[in-house]
Amino acid sequence: EAQVTQNPRYLITVTGKKLTVTCSQNMNHEYMSWYRQDPGLGLRQIYYSMNVEVTDKGDVPEGYKVSRKEKRNFPLILESPSPNQTSLYFCASSLRFGDSGKLFFGSGTQLSVL
Amino acid sequence: AQTVTQSQPEMSVQEAETVTLSCTYDTSENNYYLFWYKQPPSRQMILVIRQEAYKQQNATENRFSVNFQKAAKSFSLKISDSQLGDTAMYFCAFMKGASGTYKYIFGTGTRLKVLA
Repeated sequence: EAQVTQNPRYLITVTGKKLTVTCSQNMNHEYMSWYRQDPGLGLRQIYYSMNVEVTDKGDVPEGYKVSRKEKRNFPLILESPSPNQTSLYFCASSLRFGDSGKLFFGSGTQLSVL
Repeated sequence: AQTVTQSQPEMSVQEAETVTLSCTYDTSENNYYLFWYKQPPSRQMILVIRQEAYKQQNATENRFSVNFQKAAKSFSLKISDSQLGDTAMYFCAFMKGASGTYKYIFGTGTRLKVLA
């Protein structure tokens, strides 16, 4: 089944404790991206990647890191989480940018930073 | 910078009725894509409909259709024969289609409730 797998679905952590949210897609998509969803703010793009070893900042990249060493994986890293990073996070991928633009989303990660 | 505005935070509609969700955007680009995504209580993001800016014909997917007004930078979603399963948050999104900055810009969402 074609899908974007995101783990974990729920995560509670404490300020300053490094964490990684994993994202993997099995559709051979070139484009992958991360978003955070906050009430009243919609979805905001954190980082995106056009292909392996090619990443770029979205609108809210501060406090986040990403890497794209393999085509299928695009982990989101919070090296020193803070309470303002409490949010619902989504990973998404797309077959080929400019082709259709349809994003396939993971099921989301609800992160709470205490 | 591109922006997407959804001016209706919440809406409700009676089952079987028609409802229109509004979306406006701001861009200086000529080629781009517009989308409506649905997020039901399960929080899964689901593509509802997509429109390419170079196409004048409005996109339609079953009970869902759009009114795309390029000059006015407006992209509203019409849901006909509303069903209880349409209850969800709806997000309008913009994506630039040419080379350059590959960003998706989402609106703040409209929470739609379909009433029995």
